[in-house]
Amino acid sequence: GIQVEQSPPDLILQEGANSTLRCNFSDSVNNLQWFHQNPWGQLINLFYIPSGTKQNGRLSATTVATERYSLLYISSSQTTDSGVYFCAVDRDDKIIFGKGTRLHILP
Amino acid sequence: NAGVTQTPKFRVLKTGQSMTLLCAQDMNHEYMYWYRQDPGMGLRLIHYSVGEGTTAKGEVPDGYNVSRLKKQNFLLGLESAAPSQTSVYFCASSYVPGRIDYEQYFGPGTRLTVT
Repeated sequence: GIQVEQSPPDLILQEGANSTLRCNFSDSVNNLQWFHQNPWGQLINLFYIPSGTKQNGRLSATTVATERYSLLYISSSQTTDSGVYFCAVDRDDKIIFGKGTRLHILP
Repeated sequence: NAGVTQTPKFRVLKTGQSMTLLCAQDMNHEYMYWYRQDPGMGLRLIHYSVGEGTTAKGEVPDGYNVSRLKKQNFLLGLESAAPSQTSVYFCASSYVPGRIDYEQYFGPGTRLTVT
């Protein structure tokens, strides 16, 4: 089946820093989403981005479907950005999640 | 608009007991999903449904059954709980017919412990 790899697995940054999270997938996909799981366990949609680039405030994402990767950019990090970031790909109605990047923003 | 709700939020079962988790959505979504999340892991798909009356197996279906008798509800059943089923269970829904996106919306999760 399709493999989804996220990097880095863990990231510790000072408040105000920028970061780039990567998601690689092993085969063509129909859809790709980025989620943030906050420290209370809630999963929040960030981007639905099967291809192209989207921006929402300090966050932006780019998916290059032909090269099978997606990037999530976080600028001017805040402590509320802490948590785990997942990408999930959809192929033939089956959704496969990566193992996530755990981000810790220090005040 | 409540979005996706899950019942119960917490449950403790003894090995061999049965239970049903209920997921409800009020967004007119066609697709619904059940996932489990174990410590340090991403979410793994248990079963899913692409419409009322349909169900299909995901990545880790063994030990679980599901039913989608109504479009807005998706039930996950454990017939004989095992300690390996201790996990946090998430339900999600997506897709409104006529729209092109399949963005998933998640419920708050159910924390299940099997002793």
